[in-house]
Amino acid sequence: NAGVTQTPKFQVLKTGQSMTLQCAQDMNHEYMSWYRQDPGMGLRLIHYSVGAGITDQGEVPNGYNVSRSTTEDFPLRLLSAAPSQTSVYFCASSYGSEAKKLFFGSGTQLSVL
Amino acid sequence: GQNIDQPTEMTATEGAIVQINCTYQTSGFNGLFWYQQHAGEAPTFLSYNVLDGLEEKGRFSSFLSRSKGYSYLLLKELQMKDSASYLCAVVDSNYQLIWGAGTKLIIKP
Repeated sequence: NAGVTQTPKFQVLKTGQSMTLQCAQDMNHEYMSWYRQDPGMGLRLIHYSVGAGITDQGEVPNGYNVSRSTTEDFPLRLLSAAPSQTSVYFCASSYGSEAKKLFFGSGTQLSVL
Repeated sequence: GQNIDQPTEMTATEGAIVQINCTYQTSGFNGLFWYQQHAGEAPTFLSYNVLDGLEEKGRFSSFLSRSKGYSYLLLKELQMKDSASYLCAVVDSNYQLIWGAGTKLIIKP
């Protein structure tokens, strides 16, 4: 039982490049989400999903896309990276359709130059 | 707007007791979480309060007063491994989590 697996651990991009952060969970959780964490700020919700085929925007969705084709996977796509997207990204999941007790992936440190 | 306030940083001594406060103003309330986050790691669940009162779990306790919009996390018998950030998060009326910026706790020998 691996829990929430998030890759990569570190990534450096140039402005304008695109990339996908991968997130998979093996706990059969309905709820999955992506957060970014910046110094001095609380975790901010980017996108979330309450089940396969269902996604919704969070607090800071601009510049990011998500899809949920299966219960297990919830990738986050950066369409055209900008320096403002330099951050630590966390994928998190929970049982049920609401944000309850969250299980987090190990995080991705992303730098956009 | 919605707001969660926590102290930015606190320092305590090994073996002592520390209380980390969290005050909130949110649109609705459906529970409050405390998470622990060691540097460079992911947050991990510590406690969940939805009713007023004190919940005790080993060395850690969490208290909630919904009428005052206030919670605290109490850590007893502090150990060096308790050095971490402690995140307070409130579940709002839309069942979304609103996060505080976290309190960095420094434990000194």
